[in-house]
Amino acid sequence: EAGVAQSPRYKIIEKRQSVAFWCNPISGHATLYWYQQILGQGPKLLIQFQNNGVVDDSQLPKDRFSAERLKGVDSTLKIQPAKLEDSAVYLCASSLGRGREQYFGPGTRLTVT
Amino acid sequence: QQQVKQSPQSLIVQKGGISIINCAYENTAFDYFPWYQQFPGKGPALLIAIRPDVSEKKEGRFTISFNKSAKQFSLHIMDSQPGDSATYFCAASSEETSGSRLTFGEGTQLTVNP
Repeated sequence: EAGVAQSPRYKIIEKRQSVAFWCNPISGHATLYWYQQILGQGPKLLIQFQNNGVVDDSQLPKDRFSAERLKGVDSTLKIQPAKLEDSAVYLCASSLGRGREQYFGPGTRLTVT
Repeated sequence: QQQVKQSPQSLIVQKGGISIINCAYENTAFDYFPWYQQFPGKGPALLIAIRPDVSEKKEGRFTISFNKSAKQFSLHIMDSQPGDSATYFCAASSEETSGSRLTFGEGTQLTVNP
C-alpha cells in the first residue's frame, strides 16, 4: 500500500513570496490533515478535512495560509505572503476516518529567507 | 488544557537497556494516546497507541503504560537497539472535543549507544 505522498520535498523562498505544497493521501482515506512542525518541536495541526469539507481550521493563520481539498482526494496548502517564522516542515497525514490512526507523509521542508 | 508535556528532552541509553519516555496531560477528554517515531528527514511513523480503557499495551519491544488517575502515560522500549535512535513524540486526541486533532508533546531525542 502506497503511503502519503508530498511534494516538493524542499523549498526555499524569500519572505513575502508565495508557496504551495501538494499532498496525495493513502487511497481510501477520507480524513486529511496538514501539520506544521517547527524545528525541535512536535507537529501542530493547521487544518483537517473530512472528504472535501473543512472539519477544523482553528489553528490556521487564515490571513496568509489557505488550503483546499478538491474532489476529496489531493490537497494543496498555500502560504501567501510567507514570513520568516513560517520556516518549518509541513506534514500531511491521512486516516480512514476521524478518530482513526493517522499516517504521515515525508513532509516538505520550507526555508524562508 | 490542550498541552501534552513530554520528558526527558533527550535520552542516552546503552544497547540492550530500557528506554523510558514520559508524558502528562491535563485534558480529561483525551481518549486516544499514540506514540510516533521520527527519523531525520522523515515524517512521524505511528509506533503504538492506547485508549484509556486499558492500563498497558505491548507490541514487541514497545510497551505503553497508562495511568488514567494521574493523567500520565509512558513508552518503554525494552532491549534498546542503535536502530531505535530517533525522536519520539507522544500525542493525545479527543474525538469528542477536538475531532481527532492530535496534540503532540515536544519530543524526546533518543540515542542508543552500541
